[in-house]
Amino acid sequence: NAGVTQTPKFQVLKTGQSMTLQCAQDMNHNSMYWYRQDPGMGLRLIYYSASEGTTDKGEVPNGYNVSRLNKREFSLRLESAAPSQTSVYFCASSRSFLDEQYFGPGTRLTVT
Amino acid sequence: RKEVEQDPGPFNVPEGATVAFNCTYSNSASQSFFWYRQDCRKEPKLLMSVYSSGNEDGRFTAQLNRASQYISLLIRDSKLSDSATYLCVVNGDNYGQNFVFGPGTRLSVLP
Repeated sequence: NAGVTQTPKFQVLKTGQSMTLQCAQDMNHNSMYWYRQDPGMGLRLIYYSASEGTTDKGEVPNGYNVSRLNKREFSLRLESAAPSQTSVYFCASSRSFLDEQYFGPGTRLTVT
Repeated sequence: RKEVEQDPGPFNVPEGATVAFNCTYSNSASQSFFWYRQDCRKEPKLLMSVYSSGNEDGRFTAQLNRASQYISLLIRDSKLSDSATYLCVVNGDNYGQNFVFGPGTRLSVLP
């Protein structure tokens, strides 16, 4: 039982490049989330998926897109990376939107 | 006013000490409450959920006061391994966008 897995663990991009961060959970959770965490700031929600087939914007969605591929997988795409998107990205999942969330190990992204 | 506020910290305490963290939230409709811990450069991990009647898990005690919109976490007999940042998390009456993290309070337990 791996919980929440994320790939890649580290990534360096040049400004303007695109990439997709992958997230999968094996806990049969309905809801999944993407956060970013910057130094000195708390976790901020980018996008979430309350259930399979639905996605919604969180607090900081600009510059990102998401896909809930199936119940297990939720990907985050940066279409044209910018230095302001340098951050640590965490994926999380929960049984429902009121339940505790379980986090993946994070992806450390640097955009130069 | 920020949605979730915590003691600014950091807290530096000796091993064996009792330490208390405080958290206030602004959304009176919030329905669920949690404490997470986050080690340096790691993901947040659930420490405990917080129930209306208060709850205890070993050396950790969580309290909720809905009238005052206040949550607390008490750690007794601090261990070196308790050193981490403690995050207060409040979930509101909407979908996941209301799962709001506080800024965290850093704890260092010193030998």
